[in-house]
Amino acid sequence: GQQVMQIPQYQHVQEGEDFTTYCNSSTTLSNIQWYKQRPGGHPVFLIQLVKSGEVKKQKRLTFQFGEAKKNSSLHITATQTTDVGTYFCAGPVGGYNKLIFGAGTRLAVHP
Amino acid sequence: GAVVSQHPSRVICKSGTSVKIECRSLDFQATTMFWYRQFPKQSLMLMATSNEGSKATYEQGVEKDKFLINHASLTLSTLTVTSAHPEDSSFYICSAPPGQGFRDEKLFFGSGTQLSVL
Repeated sequence: GQQVMQIPQYQHVQEGEDFTTYCNSSTTLSNIQWYKQRPGGHPVFLIQLVKSGEVKKQKRLTFQFGEAKKNSSLHITATQTTDVGTYFCAGPVGGYNKLIFGAGTRLAVHP
Repeated sequence: GAVVSQHPSRVICKSGTSVKIECRSLDFQATTMFWYRQFPKQSLMLMATSNEGSKATYEQGVEKDKFLINHASLTLSTLTVTSAHPEDSSFYICSAPPGQGFRDEKLFFGSGTQLSVL
């Protein structure tokens, strides 16, 4: 079946360093979504990418969708302690809004 | 934005008892609700899709008789873990697409229910 793979599983950075997480799908995706889950919390929607090669920015966060619409990345510039959490990519499978999630990348930021 | 309210946030129960988890869409109508399960430090695994007024659709490997889902109205979906056992201990979380009027196809998540079965 369709799979969404994500690496790394865990990233430990010093505050101010950059961070990147990568997502790879076994099939072409109509869109890819990114979510953030703080420790003890629930996933919160960050962004959706739809177009091939699309790049979107949200302040220090840059999201990319690959040309083949099978891979994506999230890059955080100059991490802050507030960036701590697990970042998940998710792709639709089957019905509308039915998502499968990558394994997630857990980000730890040390001051 | 759309809000999904989930209760209870935490439940501890004895083995063999049943536990009901409720998810309500507060300011929108949720014709569809997705139920996920998450083990510590792991990803969200889709368990089932509930549709208002019809039977839920379960993912492969999820026991229908174990995890009863009811979506009786456009604002309420429930998940009942029947005869819970320690291996059912997990974080259960519901989510719903917000419907028309939102630009992105996204999910709004409930706050989750941490189930601990003794």
